[in-house]
Amino acid sequence: AQKVTQAQTEISVVEKEDVTLDCVYETRDTTYYLFWYKQPPSGELVFLIRRNSFDEQNEISGRYSWNFQKSTSSFNFTITASQVVDSAVYFCALRRSNFGNEKLTFGTGTRLTIIP
Amino acid sequence: SQTIHQWPATLVQPVGSPLSLECTVEGTSNPNLYWYRQAAGRGLQLLFYSVGIGQISSEVPQNLSASRPQDRQFILSSKKLLLSDSGFYLCAWRTGAPNPQYFGPGTRLTVT
Repeated sequence: AQKVTQAQTEISVVEKEDVTLDCVYETRDTTYYLFWYKQPPSGELVFLIRRNSFDEQNEISGRYSWNFQKSTSSFNFTITASQVVDSAVYFCALRRSNFGNEKLTFGTGTRLTIIP
Repeated sequence: SQTIHQWPATLVQPVGSPLSLECTVEGTSNPNLYWYRQAAGRGLQLLFYSVGIGQISSEVPQNLSASRPQDRQFILSSKKLLLSDSGFYLCAWRTGAPNPQYFGPGTRLTVT
């Protein structure tokens, strides 16, 4: 069975601070995909990043960075110099890589509030 | 570019009434389509997915059904709504095995 755990239910930081959102996953598969999505107050889920299990290279995109560590089954997300527009619920998700498997297993989300 | 539409945006329905939510995708062919439900303050639950016209897979037995009458159209239905059907319903699409799912704007359903 697959599972994604986002232990941080809610986080509040002051604007311009850095913040890390944790994601720990469980799977018996050797190949899989990991994702992060942002859900702003409007409700629509916005795709942020996909990571293949065989690619452990960390990624940076502007103020966003992702740290994938297979040894600890973690895929953490860091926002540098946070801004009020970063306030949202963030979801980590896992999907098996075999053809025909469509299920995206989501964590319960972390609500991030950036205080101006 | 691809676009996904959902309507209505909000809906208030009495218990026992029927339901029909529609999702359409533009700018792509033969997408995989998905219906998710998000209960208040909770994560997302996959309800149905479809890999082609008329092909529906159900993840969770429940009071809902789905249909895909056209390649880029996905419909979520119920004959009689329950209070527990309240939630935020999201449609998503995907093409290509490694690609992510892209979500629509959602429909907020309140059953009274």
